[in-house]
Amino acid sequence: GENVEQHPSTLSVQEGDSAVIKCTYSDSASNYFPWYKQELGKRPQLIIDIRSNVGEKKDQRIAVTLNKTAKHFSLHITETQPEDSAVYFCAANSGYALNFGKGTSLLVTP
Amino acid sequence: DAGVIQSPRHEVTEMGQEVTLRCKPISGHNSLFWYRQTMMRGLELLIYFNNNVPIDDSGMPEDRFSAKMPNASFSTLKIQPSEPRDSAVYFCASSLRTVFGYTFGSGTRLTVV
Repeated sequence: GENVEQHPSTLSVQEGDSAVIKCTYSDSASNYFPWYKQELGKRPQLIIDIRSNVGEKKDQRIAVTLNKTAKHFSLHITETQPEDSAVYFCAANSGYALNFGKGTSLLVTP
Repeated sequence: DAGVIQSPRHEVTEMGQEVTLRCKPISGHNSLFWYRQTMMRGLELLIYFNNNVPIDDSGMPEDRFSAKMPNASFSTLKIQPSEPRDSAVYFCASSLRTVFGYTFGSGTRLTVV
């Protein structure tokens, strides 16, 4: 499938700090960019998404930004809490399917 | 709504055996996707169906893997013969016509010894 690159692979922050995860995609036809959170042993769950007709979307402590020209999008988590610790995946659609980045393991230490 | 239901949750099998994973999508969803998750390769799309028809199976690793969707409420992923490198978590996901509302099942953790 089309390529989605995600960085960093691991991220450790202190509680209350911000965390930023960045992704790039290769399919210029992609128009939907969701982010999933996966806790240990659980299924990936959608936390926020953005469509190509907007550049930014915010939901409480999380926000996503999209730069279609540069083909990159980012997840921002502010005021991090220990319960934010999980693996986060970005994705971009290719037709009706989603191609995922390899994930970022976020650790929030108290 | 019970969500996407996968079975079994865990499967341990010996190399060379046939393995069948099962998925029941959310009622009314007409797109179904099979993914494989490993530490090294992340979430890989294996195959997806739209209205029970396979649309893209380019992610299926080799001929040992096959998938079917005989009706709108059931799909199987079969590995025959299984090999230790097939050990992974296999997720099924479904959606309604588009990628919006893409929902994952709980996954099947497969171990081939």
